Amino acid sequence: AQSVTQLGSHVSVSEGALVLLRCNYSSSVPPYLFWYVQYPNQGLQLLLKYTSAATLVKGINGFEAEFKKSETSFHLTKPSAHMSDAAEYFCAVSDNSGNTPLVFGKGTRLSVIA
Amino acid sequence: SAVISQKPSRDICQRGTSLTIQCQVDSQVTMMFWYRQQPGQSLTLIATANQGSEATYESGFVIDKFPISRPNLTFSTLTVSNMSPEDSSIYLCSVDKFGQVYFGAGTRLSVL
Repeated sequence: AQSVTQLGSHVSVSEGALVLLRCNYSSSVPPYLFWYVQYPNQGLQLLLKYTSAATLVKGINGFEAEFKKSETSFHLTKPSAHMSDAAEYFCAVSDNSGNTPLVFGKGTRLSVIA
Repeated sequence: SAVISQKPSRDICQRGTSLTIQCQVDSQVTMMFWYRQQPGQSLTLIATANQGSEATYESGFVIDKFPISRPNLTFSTLTVSNMSPEDSSIYLCSVDKFGQVYFGAGTRLSVL
């Protein structure tokens, strides 16, 4: 079985500061890992995904995440937060066989303070 | 790629009634997945729908409450039966096509 733990249900940063959203996973097989963003009253948008190629994955809007097998982590970072980054962020895991559903973490709400 | 059309996009329903949500994919896929996102919560998998067989339900979800049809490789429906206010959620369908995951825009359901 697979699971995802997102540390911190709410993270608040100042505009221009580093964004760090934490995600740890549990998987008995090599995982695929995803980060999604959800703006208020909108659908899910894929930020980036790891599928066993490069361990440092670059996504949209300046976000990136690093897969660390030894730490079973896939933390999301952005060097400089913008006000427009305020949203809910979900980490998700699936196995690498295809045709398997994503297992989502509980989400982290990011607030950006001017 | 895959484009998913989900409808209705939103509905307001009376308790005790049922609503059927449709999910249409523009290409054939083996599995279709149905999720629920309760207000302020994450996404929870309801069931996996495979064409030609009964859907596989996750713990806490039962066929009598959430019957699913999968008549062909491009279409599925999820029915929310005998609704109560606790069923107010966003319901999403999803497919995995060659390792790419796609989501429908969701159905926002409010039960009064």
